[in-house]
Amino acid sequence: ETGVTQSPTHLIKTRGQQVTLRCSSQSGHNTVSWYQQALGQGPQFIFQYYREEENGRGNFPPRFSGLQFPNYSSELNVNALELDDSALYLCASSNRGNSEAFFGQGTRLTVV
Amino acid sequence: GQQVMQIPQYQHVQEGEDFTTYCNSSTTLSNIQWYKQRPGGHPVFLIQLVKSGEVKKQKRLTFQFGEAKKNSSLHITATQTTDVGTYFCAGVEYGNKLVFGAGTILRVKS
Repeated sequence: ETGVTQSPTHLIKTRGQQVTLRCSSQSGHNTVSWYQQALGQGPQFIFQYYREEENGRGNFPPRFSGLQFPNYSSELNVNALELDDSALYLCASSNRGNSEAFFGQGTRLTVV
Repeated sequence: GQQVMQIPQYQHVQEGEDFTTYCNSSTTLSNIQWYKQRPGGHPVFLIQLVKSGEVKKQKRLTFQFGEAKKNSSLHITATQTTDVGTYFCAGVEYGNKLVFGAGTILRVKS
């Protein structure tokens, strides 16, 4: 196991609602990245946090936002949920300067 | 932006046969990583290649990085049922951002 934990593991939300996903990074890691993986696709980079600041963002709208806390854990917030937001959301923990990423088990979000 | 293409999309082999997946990038990569994702699971890091022309082996798995650092391959010798899953390559951009290919799904018939 990687030591990266995500919660919840599964979630069902209604279109228009807001959701918060959580990630605890591996001990000693200071960088957290979030990815969205639609069914049958590769993970798509959402954004990355390093030392509590956003450090790069993929092609996702502003309703996708995040936070990183002093203990390096992180949250992903999605507002005004759309049906296409249904996906597996993955958190990856790493150390700056070492690009090997350790993924959590993911949160499966279903928007109905 | 950087794009990473992977082929084939899907491969179904008989146990004991070999398997290869190929990865091509639209730009020169600083390094490339390979991940395996089991059905219902999450991506698990396999290896990172950094040098032009680099070849690395892990038991039955052989990873290559092209001379121009724009392509890579993963070859599995004598597949086993435990090799089942989706294999992703990922180019590494600034600040550890990973650009994933769409993956190759491997199914192994016993």
